[in-house]
Amino acid sequence: DVKVTQSSRYLVKRTGEKVFLECVQDMDHENMFWYRQDPGLGLRLIYFSYDVKMKEKGDIPEGYSVSREKKERFSLILESASTNQTSMYLCASTMDPPNLYGYTFGSGTRLTVV
Amino acid sequence: KQEVTQIPAALSVPEGENLVLNCSFTDSAIYNLQWFRQDPGKGLTSLLLIQSSQREQTSGRLNASLDKSSGRSTLYIAASQPGDSATYLCAVITGTASKLTFGTGTRLQVTL
Repeated sequence: DVKVTQSSRYLVKRTGEKVFLECVQDMDHENMFWYRQDPGLGLRLIYFSYDVKMKEKGDIPEGYSVSREKKERFSLILESASTNQTSMYLCASTMDPPNLYGYTFGSGTRLTVV
Repeated sequence: KQEVTQIPAALSVPEGENLVLNCSFTDSAIYNLQWFRQDPGKGLTSLLLIQSSQREQTSGRLNASLDKSSGRSTLYIAASQPGDSATYLCAVITGTASKLTFGTGTRLQVTL
């Protein structure tokens, strides 16, 4: 089975800190995604990547950036964490082309910004 | 813009009952539809993937159907068990960017 691993289940960070959320997949998937999930708002796409060193903005990229230096790793960066970025963050990956294959999600990182 | 709606938002049933969860989407030009399960505080677990050319998929006690022309999918759970209690999400892929659009979810509770 494909595994998508998010390095932290829970994180507590202070306002203004730079925060890194890490995601690693072990099945050579080309496509990787970062979502956030909030009550009443559902899952919203932050950024995605179709290949190493490539990135595309999703629906809510403001306040975030990403890095994909290796195919298996996709990092989400909060440049200066704010309280409105408190959320559940979910990473996903899929094979190419993404419109034919199902997505595999990680177990999530619950981030609290205080 | 694709919009995905799930009805009901919450459902409570006694153990053993068969049940149907509904998912509707506004843009029928989808590539595929995927059903997920999410336990509280956890990530998403994929249950079933239906390609746009397929009508249904089955896995154990789960059966998902797709009617692309009417913009609807159903997830049928047979002989429900307390372990089925979770939130169920449907998601569709549309557009050249092949992004997932999620439904609002159905929170299911199966009681003893």
